[in-house]
Amino acid sequence: GIQVEQSPPDLILQEGANSTLRCNFSDSVNNLQWFHQNPWGQLINLFYIPSGTKQNGRLSATTVATERYSLLYISSSQTTDSGVYFCAAARNMEYGNKLVFGAGTILRVKS
Amino acid sequence: DTEVTQTPKHLVMGMTNKKSLKCEQHMGHRAMYWYKQKAKKPPELMFVYSYEKLSINESVPSRFSPECPNSSLLNLHLHALQPEDSALYLCASSQDTGRGRADTQYFGPGTRLTVL
Repeated sequence: GIQVEQSPPDLILQEGANSTLRCNFSDSVNNLQWFHQNPWGQLINLFYIPSGTKQNGRLSATTVATERYSLLYISSSQTTDSGVYFCAAARNMEYGNKLVFGAGTILRVKS
Repeated sequence: DTEVTQTPKHLVMGMTNKKSLKCEQHMGHRAMYWYKQKAKKPPELMFVYSYEKLSINESVPSRFSPECPNSSLLNLHLHALQPEDSALYLCASSQDTGRGRADTQYFGPGTRLTVL
């Protein structure tokens, strides 16, 4: 099956700083999503982005499908951005919804 | 409305108990999923239902029994669980787009299960 790797595993930021999280995947994909998991376990959709670039407020994401990676940018970080960020992908030409998650990036934003 | 609801929020059960987890969505999605997440690990897919039919079972032990009684509801029946089954159980739903296509999966808040 598809392999999904995320980096860095841990990240500590001062409030107001910017950051970039990376997701590498081992095969062509038809589904790639970024999630934020809050301390209560809720997985919050950030982006559905199998290719291209999207922006939502202080967050943006870019997926370069031909090079098999995706980036999540967080600008002007806030303490509420803390939590675990997961990238998940589904391999193209398989059943499109069989998501495989990366190990996650634990983000801590300090005030 | 992109809400998936799950009940109960927390569940404690003994190894001889039978219990059920419930998931509901009203987005008209025809694909529904169960994931299991152990502490400090990513979610792992357990089952996929497509149009109320089981389409993927990721070699899950038979003590976990899924059921999809209609297009809005998904249950996970639990019987004779082990302490190592303690985890966060997440339900998700999406449009069913068939082989080779995909759409956003929306997750519920999860049920935190403890098996004593």
